[in-house]
Amino acid sequence: DADVTQTPRNRITKTGKRIMLECSQTKGHDRMYWYRQDPGLGLRLIYYSFDVKDINKGEISDGYSVSRQAQAKFSLSLESAIPNQTALYFCATSESDSYEQYFGPGTRLTVT
Amino acid sequence: QKEVEQDPGPLSVPEGAIVSLNCTYSNSAFQYFMWYRQYSRKGPELLMYTYSSGNKEDGRFTAQVDKSSKYISLFIRDSQPSDSATYLCAMEYNNNDMRFGAGTRLTVKP
Repeated sequence: DADVTQTPRNRITKTGKRIMLECSQTKGHDRMYWYRQDPGLGLRLIYYSFDVKDINKGEISDGYSVSRQAQAKFSLSLESAIPNQTALYFCATSESDSYEQYFGPGTRLTVT
Repeated sequence: QKEVEQDPGPLSVPEGAIVSLNCTYSNSAFQYFMWYRQYSRKGPELLMYTYSSGNKEDGRFTAQVDKSSKYISLFIRDSQPSDSATYLCAMEYNNNDMRFGAGTRLTVKP
């Protein structure tokens, strides 16, 4: 997990607030991903990026935006947080054409 | 209907037992099948992956894929308390567009 770091690890925010979750990696991978994990629903892909100039929507992108500031940094923003965005958020990375993804330790977000 | 169905458990077994974890799926386009293990308060880590139908063995772990039945399994032999974790199946049909099961929570009791 140390190769992929996420900040903050825990965050409580209020409905309507803007919040940013950050992800950094030292693995040198081109590809980065944001997932959310909910009980009973597993991991669902929000956005993914194959390189700095290539960003794609995942399964559940509505209400989220992302920014790939550099090869090593990928941030997820909630422009106006709502309670059903309460979840555990994971960042992951992978090499090009590899099926193995390396996950960060997660950010637990609570929207009240 | 979810694309990937996985019984969330929880599953509790005694040490040394054989564990069977399963997932079914509906999209026949899935080609790559993976099992991830997630310890409490950690991110998932890849345990095994297979391509197409068949078996793959790695130590005490065996992954099995039956594409005709749209069914995958993970077997753990001689289970240990350190195997206690949540096991997530995952499937991929489009480069890096992965679908995960809900995860099965396993506890191996000493």
